[in-house]
Amino acid sequence: GDSVTQMEGPVTLSEEAFLTINCTYTATGYPSLFWYVQYPGEGLQLLLKATKADDKGSNKGFEATYRKETTSFHLEKGSVQVSDSAVYFCALTKRNTGNQFYFGTGTSLTVIP
Amino acid sequence: ETGVTQSPTHLIKTRGQQVTLRCSSQSGHNTVSWYQQALGQGPQFIFQYYREEENGRGNFPPRFSGLQFPNYSSELNVNALELDDSALYLCASGVSGTSPAYEQYFGPGTRLTVT
Repeated sequence: GDSVTQMEGPVTLSEEAFLTINCTYTATGYPSLFWYVQYPGEGLQLLLKATKADDKGSNKGFEATYRKETTSFHLEKGSVQVSDSAVYFCALTKRNTGNQFYFGTGTSLTVIP
Repeated sequence: ETGVTQSPTHLIKTRGQQVTLRCSSQSGHNTVSWYQQALGQGPQFIFQYYREEENGRGNFPPRFSGLQFPNYSSELNVNALELDDSALYLCASGVSGTSPAYEQYFGPGTRLTVT
């Protein structure tokens, strides 16, 4: 079945460090890919998305490129801030599955000053 | 701000009891999905409602049921609560038919504890 695998956390970085959170997926057909962020005590917020191969999603300095050849959608940011501390979820959906989202297990990021 | 609200924020129930969780979707959204997020895990799809009918279901037993109302509100009902039902329950709304990237907007969740 369809699934998403994320790198295990937690991840701790110093402010201004480079961030990569790995995400790979298994899916038939043509999924859309997403990154969601969850701040403590809150629900999920859409961070960025990509709908087809080679698309690059970007938002708030974060980027991820849809790589069909490697079935990956790695999240990157060039310079993290303390305010980026949160849990990040990679997810996929396909229209023919009733728009069901499949989420990874999440990667906790802590940025220290 | 997504406009999706959930109530209550926290809830404590005893094993065997029944619970109803509520969600108010963003205006104009015609789908609502419910997810269960266990501690330290990603959200797991329970089911989705579209135009007041169930439109897809994950691997959850029938004691998990739902309703969607015309006024953009919805309910998740869980009967015969078990300890493993303790989790954060998330409601998400969206607009079906938006192609190709269907987006869902999540509420803050209801934290259910079963003792």
